[in-house]
Amino acid sequence: GDSVTQMEGPVTLSEEAFLTINCTYTATGYPSLFWYVQYPGEGLQLLLKATKADDKGSNKGFEATYRKETTSFHLEKGSVQVSDSAVYFCALPDTGGFKTIFGAGTRLFVKA
Amino acid sequence: DTAVSQTPKYLVTQMGNDKSIKCEQNLGHDTMYWYKQDSKKFLKIMFSYNNKELIINETVPNRFSPKSPDKAHLNLHINSLELGDSAVYFCASSQESLPSTDTQYFGPGTRLTVL
Repeated sequence: GDSVTQMEGPVTLSEEAFLTINCTYTATGYPSLFWYVQYPGEGLQLLLKATKADDKGSNKGFEATYRKETTSFHLEKGSVQVSDSAVYFCALPDTGGFKTIFGAGTRLFVKA
Repeated sequence: DTAVSQTPKYLVTQMGNDKSIKCEQNLGHDTMYWYKQDSKKFLKIMFSYNNKELIINETVPNRFSPKSPDKAHLNLHINSLELGDSAVYFCASSQESLPSTDTQYFGPGTRLTVL
């Protein structure tokens, strides 16, 4: 069945460090891929998405490229800030399309 | 204006009680969802409605009963609360019934604590 696997957290970085959060998936076909972010005490919000292979989604300095060869959608940011501390979820719609499958979430702590 | 709102934000109650959580969206979306997030942040879908009709009903105890009086509202009623029901419950909405490319908009969550 469809699934999403994210790297386990927590990830702790110093401000201005480079961030990578790995995400790989199994799916039938080529679904859209999403990254959602959950800031402390809030609901999830869309960070970025890519709808087809080789697309790059980007927002707020974050980027992720849809790689069908490696079935991956890794999240990257060149220089993290304290305000990026949050939980990040990789997600995709299941084959039936009626529901979204979320990864387990990766918690990021950024120290000043 | 809050796009997806939930009430209450916090709910503390005793085992065996019955409680409800309300959700409203002002985005004009056709589809609404309930998710449960456990203490490890794992997110699991419970229900989804499209235009007031139930589309997804995951393996959820029948103590949980969603109700959608109109497409802007989706409430969750829980009977005979148990300790294991303690979690954060999120409401969400999207424009389409098939979230294949569609963004979901989440409410702020309701933290339920069962004592």
